[in-house]
Amino acid sequence: QKEVEQDPGPLSVPEGAIVSLNCTYSNSAFQYFMWYRQYSRKGPELLMYTYSSGNKEDGRFTAQVDKSSKYISLFIRDSQPSDSATYLCAMNSPRNQGGKLIFGQGTELSVKP
Amino acid sequence: GAVVSQHPSWVICKSGTSVKIECRSLDFQATTMFWYRQFPKQSLMLMATSNEGSKATYEQGVEKDKFLINHASLTLSTLTVTSAHPEDSSFYICSASTVGQGAYEQYFGPGTRLTVT
Repeated sequence: QKEVEQDPGPLSVPEGAIVSLNCTYSNSAFQYFMWYRQYSRKGPELLMYTYSSGNKEDGRFTAQVDKSSKYISLFIRDSQPSDSATYLCAMNSPRNQGGKLIFGQGTELSVKP
Repeated sequence: GAVVSQHPSWVICKSGTSVKIECRSLDFQATTMFWYRQFPKQSLMLMATSNEGSKATYEQGVEKDKFLINHASLTLSTLTVTSAHPEDSSFYICSASTVGQGAYEQYFGPGTRLTVT
């Protein structure tokens, strides 16, 4: 079983839709939870991070962490064609040497105009 | 701030030759750099972690003699793929972090696409 599971998609939605992206994990030691966006042939860009449980909002993006269920989500409101990218969840524990991140497989999102 | 660059962005080399990829933190000092490879439609796979001035720590299954990593300064790490073969063709991405930042603050470079013919 992988430490972090993420549905690879692809996920296709119409412009303006609410998008829900999710990851589950098995390691209860994870404390930091991140979402990265990666455009084709580019490096990942940090979108959101959350420490421990709770919600965090930044513009059209909301990140949620439910540590009791070992489940994290990223919501995108009013999705735009420019949101079309692969979204990767990542997490780590303070005890990880050097801050090593564990990534999900990535979900490919396509927002159609 | 927190910009990481990679050079070259794209390289083609012949089978059996070596190629060096540079990763630079442009506006901060990176005590730790990470090297990943990524195949099409797949997630990032961590290859190794390098700390400035010390030997890199390689992930299980990564050949340290084939993928040579040097982190000689706080702003530069290099990955050399030695005796490259077509199966080494991939997208190589580095990231950098610094002591004292939160665990989430790992900044990625734009990646280097390596094609071995």
